[in-house]
Amino acid sequence: DQQVKQNSPSLSVQEGRISILNCDYTNSMFDYFLWYKKYPAEGPTFLISISSIKDKNEDGRFTVFLNKSAKHLSLHIVPSQPGDSAVYFCAAKGVDSNYQLIWGAGTKLIIKP
Amino acid sequence: DTGVSQDPRHKITKRGQNVTFRCDPISEHNRLYWYRQTLGQGPEFLTYFQNEAQLEKSRLLSDRFSAERPKGSFSTLEIQRTEQGDSAMYLCASSPPGQTVQETQYFGPGTRLLVL
Repeated sequence: DQQVKQNSPSLSVQEGRISILNCDYTNSMFDYFLWYKKYPAEGPTFLISISSIKDKNEDGRFTVFLNKSAKHLSLHIVPSQPGDSAVYFCAAKGVDSNYQLIWGAGTKLIIKP
Repeated sequence: DTGVSQDPRHKITKRGQNVTFRCDPISEHNRLYWYRQTLGQGPEFLTYFQNEAQLEKSRLLSDRFSAERPKGSFSTLEIQRTEQGDSAMYLCASSPPGQTVQETQYFGPGTRLLVL
């Protein structure tokens, strides 16, 4: 059973508009959530994270929102740029492990010029 | 280039053969992680080292898998008696000392394994 789900395999957004990537989880014991970005032929790179005690974290064009009651988080990218085209992974960490992350399947974001 | 490096980048092997992958972390990173990623899925945690000590190991890691980091620098991941289901991308990551969450993991490009 997938504890972290990214239900949209792909998303296409016009350059300059907002990109919203969604992630749902089932385990209420997750205490930390992260977003990673991955370009082809490269490993994932860390983008932004949020602790379960917060509901929002912002870093430049990237904002992550956490809705604990709905077990849902989202990544907003504003404005979207061509270099944002990549696969985005949502990952979660449980309180019972310091280093083990549970990853979603990823969403491929395509920014159209 | 001072990033995480992995060798080889690609490996094709026949079922039943043993394979070994190497990971060189960023120098002075004392934490090292191995992940497996299959097509259309996110990475799955396999194991974690702090220096030379293997501190955490996933239940996914069967007895055919073994990882070492003998001197606390590079690490090797060996798969014995490979099966077709082992075909995947094997990712290595490292992080510097003092971190308590995984936000600062730096990933290598991965080794893609194909078992025929």
